[in-house]
Amino acid sequence: GAGVSQSPSNKVTEKGKDVELRCDPISGHTALYWYRQSLGQGLEFLIYFQGNSAPDKSGLPSDRFSAERTGGSVSTLTIQRTQQEDSAVYLCASSLVGQGGTVVGYEQYFGPGTRLTVT
Amino acid sequence: GENVEQHPSTLSVQEGDSAVIKCTYSDSASNYFPWYKQELGKGPQLIIDIRSNVGEKKDQRIAVTLNKTAKHFSLHITETQPEDSAVYFCAASSHRDDKIIFGKGTRLHILP
Repeated sequence: GAGVSQSPSNKVTEKGKDVELRCDPISGHTALYWYRQSLGQGLEFLIYFQGNSAPDKSGLPSDRFSAERTGGSVSTLTIQRTQQEDSAVYLCASSLVGQGGTVVGYEQYFGPGTRLTVT
Repeated sequence: GENVEQHPSTLSVQEGDSAVIKCTYSDSASNYFPWYKQELGKGPQLIIDIRSNVGEKKDQRIAVTLNKTAKHFSLHITETQPEDSAVYFCAASSHRDDKIIFGKGTRLHILP
């Protein structure tokens, strides 16, 4: 079946512009994560959606970053007034949720990422 | 919150030799420890995982060990092959907050 898809695959934008990155999770996965991966670095957690619960936004680096998840499926990560330090690969992942509402122990399926370059 | 340290950051081994990557974690409540492999231009993919009630798990050439007392866990790859060249991430999570915290990754080079 189809995996997690992300679009665009590459995005070049000028400093100060806003960008929107899209994630289509695997059908039936109610948990969705956004991560940022800077060159040669690990996976920095940004935000986590689970079902109808309020999202965990604790990883968002500034108020220029926001994310929405409509209808429990597609998610959009928005970065306003982009800065050069926002340049990175943005990865989305989705996961099943087990009994008790936890995702622990369930595999995260990652998309291929969006490479954002701010010039 | 949880903090996961991973080392080495880069590892080169001769084809056929073994590779070991080590991680430590800080939160004693963590009970699930997955390992992901990331090939160039792709998203990470789960290769093996271990839960806190198990000390070791094997899957063909890959094995993971967990020492809960010391808060250490390791990935062992035996008889390495060229296709093992990739970046490997360890991670830890608990039911407390449902987040998976990743290490910074190890770039593994398999030398011919």
